[in-house]
This record gives sequence, C-alpha cells and structure tokens, in this order.
Amino acid sequence: AQSVTQLGSHVSVSEGALVLLRCNYSSSVPPYLFWYVQYPNQGLQLLLKYTSAATLVKGINGFEAEFKKSETSFHLTKPSAHMSDAAEYFCAVSASSNTGKLIFGQGTTLQVKP
Amino acid sequence: DAGVIQSPRHEVTEMGQEVTLRCKPISGHDYLFWYRQTMMRGLELLIYFNNNVPIDDSGMPEDRFSAKMPNASFSTLKIQPSEPRDSAVYFCASSLRLGSSGNTIYFGEGSWLTVV
Repeated sequence: AQSVTQLGSHVSVSEGALVLLRCNYSSSVPPYLFWYVQYPNQGLQLLLKYTSAATLVKGINGFEAEFKKSETSFHLTKPSAHMSDAAEYFCAVSASSNTGKLIFGQGTTLQVKP
Repeated sequence: DAGVIQSPRHEVTEMGQEVTLRCKPISGHDYLFWYRQTMMRGLELLIYFNNNVPIDDSGMPEDRFSAKMPNASFSTLKIQPSEPRDSAVYFCASSLRLGSSGNTIYFGEGSWLTVV
C-alpha cells in the first residue's frame, strides 16, 4: 500500500529565506508523486509532479522538488520565500498508474514572516 | 477550459436535512473523485468513478452518504440525513484517462458544508 508522510505540520520562514517542505513516501511500485498547494478558502492547485522522467522537477511559482529513491523522499524547495507563498502544501502519491487514486499527506502549513 | 465546477460553494443546513453537492468535471476527463477535507482527518478520498461507474467507494463514511454520476458531465454527493460531524469541505476532482505522463488530478474549489 502507498502512503505519504509530511514532516512538520507547520513551517515558518522569513521572506527571502529558503523554503523546505519535507515529504517521504512508501510505495511498492514506482510511484507518481505530486505537490499541491491550497491557498486559504480555495481548492487544491497542482504545483508539480514526478512521473519517472527527470528526478528534479520544476513547478510553478519557483518551486521544485527532487525525487530521491534511496531516501524515498520528494521534498519541496524554493530558494527565496515570498509572502504570497503562505499556504498549505500537500504531498501526494499515486496508488497506481492505472487508477488515478491519490493518497495525500496531512499537509504542511507554510507561514512567511516579513 | 472552465475547470472542475462545484456547487454550492457554501451551504449551511440543519441537522437531519438532506444535502446535495454537485460537480461538473472537466470535459473529456474519465475519472471523477470526491474528497472530504477536515482539520482532524485531512484529505480523504470518499469515492471515485471511471467512465461514470463507481470504482472504489471504500471511503464513504456510512450509508448516509451516496454518490452518483448519471453522465460524463455531472456528479452528485448526497448526505441524508446530515449530521454536525459531516461539516467539512467537499472537493470534487477529475483527471484524464491515464497514460505515461502520470495522473494529474484537477480539483474544484470545494463546497464548504456546515451542519448545525
């Protein structure tokens, strides 16, 4: 069975600082991995996804994530945080490439301080 | 494309009343998903459809919940009777037939349900 663990339910950074949101997955088959962002009172928006091509994936808004099979990790990073990055971030793994079913982590709330 | 469209965006109802949430997936998408989001349990998959057929409803909490997809462009999630613990944000999502590019799921903006 697939599962996702996001380390840290809340992360606080200063504007301009590095953003690092951690995600570890468990999967018995090669996974598809996703990061979604949810702004207050809105739905989820896809940031980026890993689909077994390049291990370093670039997404929208300057975010990127690196797939590390040896560490079963897919951490999300951004070199310089902006106030508008404050949101909740969800890591997700696909249960199977044939079903479309996503398993979500519990989410990490990113706070950006001025 | 207009994206996944959900209605209502917000609903407040009294305990015991029937609640119907509606969803229009992105045109051409074969998969439709209903998720529930709460503070306590996070994002939970309730049910999903493939080509209008329910594939996995193991996440539906109990018999008070039912979902239908009468055609490719419409789905409903019904709660009857509703209870305060059903208060949550309900998301509908859809995705294309799957291929080697991975199964990106597109979410609607959610229906905020409050049962008092």
